[in-house]
Amino acid sequence: ELKVEQNPLFLSMQEGKNYTIYCNYSTTSDRLYWYRQDPGKSLESLFVLLSNGAVKQEGRLMASLDTKARLSTLHITAAVHDLSATYFCAVDGNNAGNMLTFGGGTRLMVKP
Amino acid sequence: NAGVTQTPKFRILKIGQSMTLQCTQDMNHNYMYWYRQDPGMGLKLIYYSVGAGITDKGEVPNGYNVSRSTTEDFPLRLELAAPSQTSVYFCASSRAYEQYFGPGTRLTVT
Repeated sequence: ELKVEQNPLFLSMQEGKNYTIYCNYSTTSDRLYWYRQDPGKSLESLFVLLSNGAVKQEGRLMASLDTKARLSTLHITAAVHDLSATYFCAVDGNNAGNMLTFGGGTRLMVKP
Repeated sequence: NAGVTQTPKFRILKIGQSMTLQCTQDMNHNYMYWYRQDPGMGLKLIYYSVGAGITDKGEVPNGYNVSRSTTEDFPLRLELAAPSQTSVYFCASSRAYEQYFGPGTRLTVT
């Protein structure tokens, strides 16, 4: 059974600081996704990582994937208040239906 | 394109009632999914479909049924609603890998 763990579960940080969210998973997979969710809203796709060593950047967010370590990171650079949200990683277990298993989420609060 | 649409947005059910959550996508995606999200948690897969006429169970299928008669529509049926089914339900679709999510249906069973 594929398990996906994120840490930390909750992160409070000051504007301008850097931090990293970690996503570990338990079985082999080459495909990992990061989503953002604002309170009461749906999920917004941030990054699609499809191979070992994949690195993608958008604004102050950068995501990477190490399939050998079964680890993905979401790095936040010089955080701003607008980044406050819950971030989920999801792993595709290389199954026929491309089904996703989600981590529990990291609730990020960026304080002025 | 409207993307993935879901109706209703909100619903309150009494224990034992039944209802159908509607999901439609206009992107001609073969893959469609139903997830539930309990407060403060990640999403869990209920059912999925790889094409019209083909459905299969996900991680938490008990108490739910689905059908897929067209590429566009993937309704989720709740029979004999229970308080444990209080949750937010998201429908998603994909062509290959990346999944696109609908706005969600917030369901309360009392």
